[in-house]
Amino acid sequence: DTGVSQDPRHKITKRGQNVTFRCDPISEHNRLYWYRQTLGQGPEFLTYFQNEAQLEKSRLLSDRFSAERPKGSFSTLEIQRTEQGDSAMYLCASSLVRLAGRTSSTDTQYFGPGTRLTVL
Amino acid sequence: KQEVTQIPAALSVPEGENLVLNCSFTDSAIYNLQWFRQDPGKGLTSLLLIQSSQREQTSGRLNASLDKSSGRSTLYIAASQPGDSATYLCAVMRRPVAGGTSYGKLTFGQGTILTVHP
Repeated sequence: DTGVSQDPRHKITKRGQNVTFRCDPISEHNRLYWYRQTLGQGPEFLTYFQNEAQLEKSRLLSDRFSAERPKGSFSTLEIQRTEQGDSAMYLCASSLVRLAGRTSSTDTQYFGPGTRLTVL
Repeated sequence: KQEVTQIPAALSVPEGENLVLNCSFTDSAIYNLQWFRQDPGKGLTSLLLIQSSQREQTSGRLNASLDKSSGRSTLYIAASQPGDSATYLCAVMRRPVAGGTSYGKLTFGQGTILTVHP
């Protein structure tokens, strides 16, 4: 297992364009998270999935943002009509959620390398 | 609303020193607390996870403690090395709501930038 991967690593776009990022979690991890990090700040939660279900969305996730995890494996995060304020590092993480009666799970979130978005 | 604060914002020490990074959180109803390391322009690497029922965790030269009642955690780094230079982030996960599945969100502090010089 090579860990969480994200693609692309860097994206430069012009204001108003749409962008899509992909995240491939650690295999068999049932939880997948998206965070956004701006310079000098800690990551801020955006949304997360358990399998294919999107369980929580932050108020940071405006109508221009949409995330999917159609088959419970990889996930995509799309930003429509990008704005300069969207420039940030977008981080994906995955975890194996604690399941009742089983001891082999962990709540540790494993992060990918991130996608650096620059909106000109 | 959970707020996480890390002190100091930046720390510069000579190689070999023992050091302590501090993290405080406002809502003690947490499920666990994680310490991460982040190198410039990179993702986060998990260092230690402390469950709410635990008081401390150790990994090599790292020791993290948790005092849930006072809303504090410390990360102790022994015999610091230049390779330890990075940003250290703490994050708390809220306690699951009874009967619900909506937990897992991490709330992060702003990080402590550590520089260990030779």
